[in-house]
Amino acid sequence: DAGVIQSPRHEVTEMGQEVTLRCKPISGHNSLFWYRQTMMRGLELLIYFNNNVPIDDSGMPEDRFSAKMPNASFSTLKIQPSEPRDSAVYFCASSQGLRRTNEKLFFGSGTQLSVL
Amino acid sequence: TQLLEQSPQFLSIQEGENLTVYCNSSSVFSSLQWYRQEPGEGPVLLVTVVTGGEVKKLKRLTFQFGDARKDSSLHITAAQTGDTGLYLCAGVRAGGTSYGKLTFGQGTILTVHP
Repeated sequence: DAGVIQSPRHEVTEMGQEVTLRCKPISGHNSLFWYRQTMMRGLELLIYFNNNVPIDDSGMPEDRFSAKMPNASFSTLKIQPSEPRDSAVYFCASSQGLRRTNEKLFFGSGTQLSVL
Repeated sequence: TQLLEQSPQFLSIQEGENLTVYCNSSSVFSSLQWYRQEPGEGPVLLVTVVTGGEVKKLKRLTFQFGDARKDSSLHITAAQTGDTGLYLCAGVRAGGTSYGKLTFGQGTILTVHP
């Protein structure tokens, strides 16, 4: 089991540039989550998908953020244009999505984003 | 205001000491989970508690869910340097419609010195 795979591990970009983060969930998992982690705000849920359909995107901070899940094995989180305050670690997580409240999330290793 | 308040935020102890981390809320949760996160990695689930008053043990770690399902604690006996990390509690609010929407606490950074 390869686990949740995120790329890139690190991304350094300049303000105004477009940033695309990628995620491959665990095969067979039906739910996918994007989180952002900062020292100030901790882990925040940005958006989650169930069976490739966005279910709740209320955590997406602004229109500059968008996420897609074109198929069961791939998702992207895009920031356009990026700003320094977007600097954070972005995590992708997946779960089996069996509608249980004690569902176990498996996290990727994250993408450390720095916007200069 | 955090839905889940963790305390303390930082904990620095010597190897062999005991410690307790708390996770409190004014809301009722269907379940609470505890995760441990090491630098450069994502959180890893340690345990899930679902019943009020439930106690679960994982080797030297003891997890408890409050009777009212509003709080939880993590107790570590005889801490080891390998216990160092960020400990996060997370929960799904009871009665909500947002299935799977885990809310995380701010975390407790534990450092165990040799």
